Amino acid sequence: AQSVTQLDSHVSVSEGTPVLLRCNYSSSYSPSLFWYVQHPNKGLQLLLKYTSAATLVKGINGFEAEFKKSETSFHLTKPSAHMSDAAEYFCVVSDGEAAGNKLTFGGGTRVLVKP
Amino acid sequence: GAVVSQHPSRVICKSGTSVKIECRSLDFQATTMFWYRQFPKKSLMLMATSNEGSKATYEQGVEKDKFLINHASLTLSTLTVTSAHPEDSSFYICSARSSFGQPQHFGDGTRLSIL
Repeated sequence: AQSVTQLDSHVSVSEGTPVLLRCNYSSSYSPSLFWYVQHPNKGLQLLLKYTSAATLVKGINGFEAEFKKSETSFHLTKPSAHMSDAAEYFCVVSDGEAAGNKLTFGGGTRVLVKP
Repeated sequence: GAVVSQHPSRVICKSGTSVKIECRSLDFQATTMFWYRQFPKKSLMLMATSNEGSKATYEQGVEKDKFLINHASLTLSTLTVTSAHPEDSSFYICSARSSFGQPQHFGDGTRLSIL
């Protein structure tokens, strides 16, 4: 079975300061991990994905995430927040073929960016 | 690339009517499409997985006769909410992937409001 826990339901940062969104997962297999962003009343946009290659994954819009197997974590970071980063972020795990490539979503973290 | 279009973006209708939502992959062939439901300020809940030319596989607790899914071509899947009632009001999101193991690409969602 697979599961995802996003440790913060809300994160508030000032524009220009770093952003850290925490994610822990559990998986029976070697998982694929994703971060998606959702703006209000919109679908989800893929920020980045980890699929057993490099443990530090760079995504779009300056985001990156580091896969740490020993900590079962996949935290998302960005060095400098922009107002347009205000949105809901979802950490997602897929157990691959064993789970039919289904995605399991974390509860989401809402990011507020203050000017 | 990898654009998924969902239509309509918003629909308001009376209780008892049926509503059809379309999900199209515009620039790739989607062998599999997924339908999710998202409650306010909540994460996404997978409703069903649809493979082109096959019957959809529904998640536990999702009524097959209430939520009819058709995936007749490699670029189109439809979700029909039959005899909709106020409790069916929600944000419905589809996603599509080109082949097994590839990331899912999401539509912009449909906000369904049943009066």
